[in-house]
Amino acid sequence: EDKVVQSPLSLVVHEGDTVTLNCSYEVTNFRSLLWYKQEKKAPTFLFMLTSSGIEKKSGRLSSILDKKELFSILNITATQTGDSAIYLCAVLTPDSNYQLIWGAGTKLIIKP
Amino acid sequence: DTEVTQTPKHLVMGMTNKKSLKCEQHMGHRAMYWYKQKAKKPPELMFVYSYEKLSINESVPSRFSPECPNSSLLNLHLHALQPEDSALYLCASSVAGALEQYFGPGTRLTVT
Repeated sequence: EDKVVQSPLSLVVHEGDTVTLNCSYEVTNFRSLLWYKQEKKAPTFLFMLTSSGIEKKSGRLSSILDKKELFSILNITATQTGDSAIYLCAVLTPDSNYQLIWGAGTKLIIKP
Repeated sequence: DTEVTQTPKHLVMGMTNKKSLKCEQHMGHRAMYWYKQKAKKPPELMFVYSYEKLSINESVPSRFSPECPNSSLLNLHLHALQPEDSALYLCASSVAGALEQYFGPGTRLTVT
C-alpha cells in the first residue's frame, strides 16, 4: 500500500532557530513530491520536487528530494512566529488519475 | 487570477436540509477536486473531475453529489447529511492531473 510518513509529528522551537522536517515515502509509481503549509484554512502550496538532488528555495524555506532513499526534507532557517503551521507532505502518483497521497503532517510551533 | 474561490465560507445545516458548496477557478485548470478534512488530519480525496468528467469517486456516500457545469466551476450538492459529515470541505484545481494542486480557502460545514 502506498504511504507517506512525516516526522516529527510536532515540533516546538524558538524564533530564530532552524528546523528540518522530514518526509519519507513508499509508493508504487512516483511522479513528484509536494510540500504544503496549512495554517487555519486551506493548504498553501510551497514546493514541488520531481528530480533528486536539486534544491528548491523560497526565501527562508528550502527543500530537497532523494529518490534513491525515498525521502525529502523541508528546511526553514531563522524561523519566525508566522512559520507556525502544519506542514504537509504529499506524493503525486500517476495511478488513479494523479492522486495525492498525504502524510499526516508536522505541527510546527515557533515560540517568540 | 491565481486563486481558487469557495462559497460559502461557513455553513450550518440540519440533517434534512439540501445545500450546495461552490468552487470557482479562472486559471484554465482542467482538473478539479473535492476534499474533506477533519481536524488534525490531512485532506481526504472525495472526487476528481478531469476535463469536466468525473474520473474518481472515492467511495463517497450518495448524500454528496458533485457537479462540474463547466471548466471553471465545481459544485458539491449536499442532502440528508449526518453530524459526522461536519468538516472543512476543500476544493482544489490543477493543470490536468499532473502538477501541483491549488486549494481554495474551504467551506467549514457543521451539520446539526
